[in-house]
Amino acid sequence: DGGITQSPKYLFRKEGQNVTLSCEQNLNHDAMYWYRQDPGQGLRLIYYSQIVNDFQKGDIAEGYSVSREKKESFPLTVTSAQKNPTAFYLCASSLAGAPNNEQFFGPGTRLTVL
Amino acid sequence: GQSLEQPSEVTAVEGAIVQMNCTYQTSGFYGLSWYQQHDGGAPTFLSYNALDGLEETGRFSSFLSRSDSYGYLLLQELQMKDSASYFCAVSTGSARQLTFGSGTQLTVLP
Repeated sequence: DGGITQSPKYLFRKEGQNVTLSCEQNLNHDAMYWYRQDPGQGLRLIYYSQIVNDFQKGDIAEGYSVSREKKESFPLTVTSAQKNPTAFYLCASSLAGAPNNEQFFGPGTRLTVL
Repeated sequence: GQSLEQPSEVTAVEGAIVQMNCTYQTSGFYGLSWYQQHDGGAPTFLSYNALDGLEETGRFSSFLSRSDSYGYLLLQELQMKDSASYFCAVSTGSARQLTFGSGTQLTVLP
């Protein structure tokens, strides 16, 4: 089955620790995205990547880092510099040039920093 | 930057029709998308409008007026399973990346 996987579903970390969230897709999509969602809010774009070895900052990139070494994978690191990291993190992918610009989302990782 | 406005909550009864509005301010606009998200779940794509007018997909319809910077999502024959949050999102930039509104929480009552 094609899709996007994120792991783990729930993650707990102590304040001051870096943590890496996994995102893998087997849809052969070129573009991948990371969003953050806080309770009762919309999704905010952290980083996105249109091709391997290239990525751009979104609206709230401070305190986060990413890599795109493989087309299938786009891990997100939440660093200790992120002031309020507790949130629901969603990864998405899309086909470049798709006429409806549809993004496909993974199930999300809920990060709690204690 | 981009900004979008959506009503925070809408309540309707099963079998009814509901319209959820979205107004936006943006530059470099390509289109308006709608996504559905159930509590704790992943957003799923519903529709995309790049041109003015109405797009229909089953019980869902989406409308866009580019001149008014306005769109809406129309749900017909409401079902209990339609209770969810609905987000509009504008596509902008070279990557046509999405900027989401804060969403409308739809509650369908029996």
